[in-house]
Amino acid sequence: AQKITQTQPGMFVQEKEAVTLDCTYDTSDPSYGLFWYKQPSSGEMIFLIYQGSYDQQNATEGRYSLNFQKARKSANLVISASQLGDSAMYFCAIEAAGNKLTFGGGTRVLVKP
Amino acid sequence: EPEVTQTPSHQVTQMGQEVILRCVPISNHLYFYWYRQILGQKVEFLVSFYNNEISEKSEIFDDQFSVERPDGSNFTLKIRSTKLEDSAMYFCASSVPRTGYNQPQHFGDGTRLSIL
Repeated sequence: AQKITQTQPGMFVQEKEAVTLDCTYDTSDPSYGLFWYKQPSSGEMIFLIYQGSYDQQNATEGRYSLNFQKARKSANLVISASQLGDSAMYFCAIEAAGNKLTFGGGTRVLVKP
Repeated sequence: EPEVTQTPSHQVTQMGQEVILRCVPISNHLYFYWYRQILGQKVEFLVSFYNNEISEKSEIFDDQFSVERPDGSNFTLKIRSTKLEDSAMYFCASSVPRTGYNQPQHFGDGTRLSIL
C-alpha cells in the first residue's frame, strides 16, 4: 500500500515570496510517480507537476518545482514568486502498482498581499 | 485545452434514493476513475475503469456503487440507496494510455452530492 504524508495543515506566505510544501511518501514499489494537485476554493482539482521515481532531475513547470529526495522519500513542492491566485489547498499524491492515486491530507496555502 | 466534464455540479437527493453522476472524459483517454472527497478530508480513490471493465476498486466501492460506460463518451457512477455518509464531492478523472506513471490524471470539476 502507498501512503502520503503532508505535515503542514496550513501556511501563510507573503506575495512574491517562495513557499515550500512538504510531502513524504511510503511505498514498497520501485516504480512510482508523484503528483501535485491544486484545489482552489471553487473545488476543482488542477494538475500541477509530476515526478517519476526514475527521473534523475527534479521536475519544473513554470513557477512550480519539485524537490525530489528519493532516499528520504520526500517530494516537496516549491512555488516561487507567490501570487494571490496561489491561495488554495495543495495535495501531494502517489501512483504506484495499479493505476490509482493515493492522496495526502493536503496543505492550505494563503498568500498575503 | 480538452477537459473532463461532470454533470450535475450539485445534486441534492433524499436518503435512500438512487443517484447517477455523469462524466465525459477527455476524448482520447482510455483510463477512467472516480474519487470522492468528504468535506474537509482527503481525496479517496473509489474505482478505476479500463477496456470496459473495472480494473481496481477500493473497499469503499461496495455493492452500493456501480460504474458504466454506456456509450463512447459517457462514464457514470451510480449510487443506490444513498446514505447520509455518501455526501461528498465526487470527482471523475481520466488519463491517456500508460507506459509508466508519467501521465497525470485529469480531473473534472466535481459533483457535490448532498444527501438529506
